[in-house]
Amino acid sequence: KNQVEQSPQSLIILEGKNCTLQCNYTVSPFSNLRWYKQDTGRGPVSLTIMTFSENTKSNGRYTATLDADTKQSSLHITASQLSDSASYICVVSAGTGGSYIPTFGRGTSLIVHP
Amino acid sequence: SQTIHQWPATLVQPVGSPLSLECTVEGTSNPNLYWYRQAAGRGLQLLFYSVGIGQISSEVPQNLSASRPQDRQFILSSKKLLLSDSGFYLCAWSVWGNTEAFFGQGTRLTVV
Repeated sequence: KNQVEQSPQSLIILEGKNCTLQCNYTVSPFSNLRWYKQDTGRGPVSLTIMTFSENTKSNGRYTATLDADTKQSSLHITASQLSDSASYICVVSAGTGGSYIPTFGRGTSLIVHP
Repeated sequence: SQTIHQWPATLVQPVGSPLSLECTVEGTSNPNLYWYRQAAGRGLQLLFYSVGIGQISSEVPQNLSASRPQDRQFILSSKKLLLSDSGFYLCAWSVWGNTEAFFGQGTRLTVV
């Protein structure tokens, strides 16, 4: 069964600090991994996508890493801002030939305090 | 540009009443469509997905059903709601060959 596990479940940090969120997965056949940001009461929005051959990808203050051998990914947020408070969801897609089924992690709830 | 509309935004329904949530997509053809539920403190759970008109796949057995009467319309229904059906329901779409999913604003359903 395809599974995506995220840690920590919740995280509280001070504005300006860095943090790292973790994602472990067992998905086959692996297609790609995305990190989504979900503001409270809204739908998730994609931050980054990583394929099997990519190790690191950045999007502004967000940097995602992928280790396909250990099936782990991380999302590093640099110099956090109050607007970073949200749920961050790791999504791993399985499939081939254009048909993909995503498996969602439960998300990490990040709270940034001033 | 593509847009997704989901309504209503909030809904309070008594136990045993029927449910109909509607989702429409504009600006794209033959999208893959998804219904997700997000219970309080839990992650997103895929309920149904559809790759074409009349084609519905169910991920989990439940009290809900889905239909796709038109290419860009996806409906989530129930004949009799249970308390456990409460949650945040999200409709999403993607295109064939692209794994990025675009989500609607969600419907907060409270069954009382």
